Amino acid sequence: DGGITQSPKYLFRKEGQNVTLSCEQNLNHDAMYWYRQDPGQGLRLIYYSQIVNDFQKGDIAEGYSVSREKKESFPLTVTSAQKNPTAFYLCASSITPQANQPQHFGDGTRLSIL
Amino acid sequence: AQSVSQHNHHVILSEAASLELGCNYSYGGTVNLFWYVQYPGQHLQLLLKYFSGDPLVKGIKGFEAEFIKSKFSFNLRKPSVQWSDTAEYFCAVNGGATNKLIFGTGTLLAVQP
Repeated sequence: DGGITQSPKYLFRKEGQNVTLSCEQNLNHDAMYWYRQDPGQGLRLIYYSQIVNDFQKGDIAEGYSVSREKKESFPLTVTSAQKNPTAFYLCASSITPQANQPQHFGDGTRLSIL
Repeated sequence: AQSVSQHNHHVILSEAASLELGCNYSYGGTVNLFWYVQYPGQHLQLLLKYFSGDPLVKGIKGFEAEFIKSKFSFNLRKPSVQWSDTAEYFCAVNGGATNKLIFGTGTLLAVQP
């Protein structure tokens, strides 16, 4: 079945360490997205990529970095500069980056900083 | 700045009751509107969407939503809820050339059998 795979499901890291969250899709979608979900705040866009080798900052990009070297992969690195990294992270993709294309979501990674 | 407001944070209903979840947005141009649902333990999935045309859109599982441009609203409705509708519901909007979604804070619906 086609879909979006996020790994791991749960991730624990010590404060001050960088950590990379994986997102892979086999839907052949051009566009990919990273969101952060906090209780009572809904989803907020961190970074998005419209096509391979391209990415743009979202609303809360500070303390995060991404790469898009392959169409199917869009890893997110949470750096030590992110002041409050404990959250639920969701990856999504859409067929094209056009605004009328619905986004498909992965199951998420819950990151906890110890 | 673009924003989406969902006024109902928690809703508790009995089975067979009617449902209406409010969603208001703030955006100055043409918008695309979405409702997503997250069932317990599952990923977010699209419930319905509006791009243009008939302002009353029908989605999966008997849900519908009405776009009222003059009120900047896109309320979600279902005539008779079931226990299996227990989930968190998110309204989202985008506009312009890119697919940058702005989400509301979500409404947690609990349906009692």
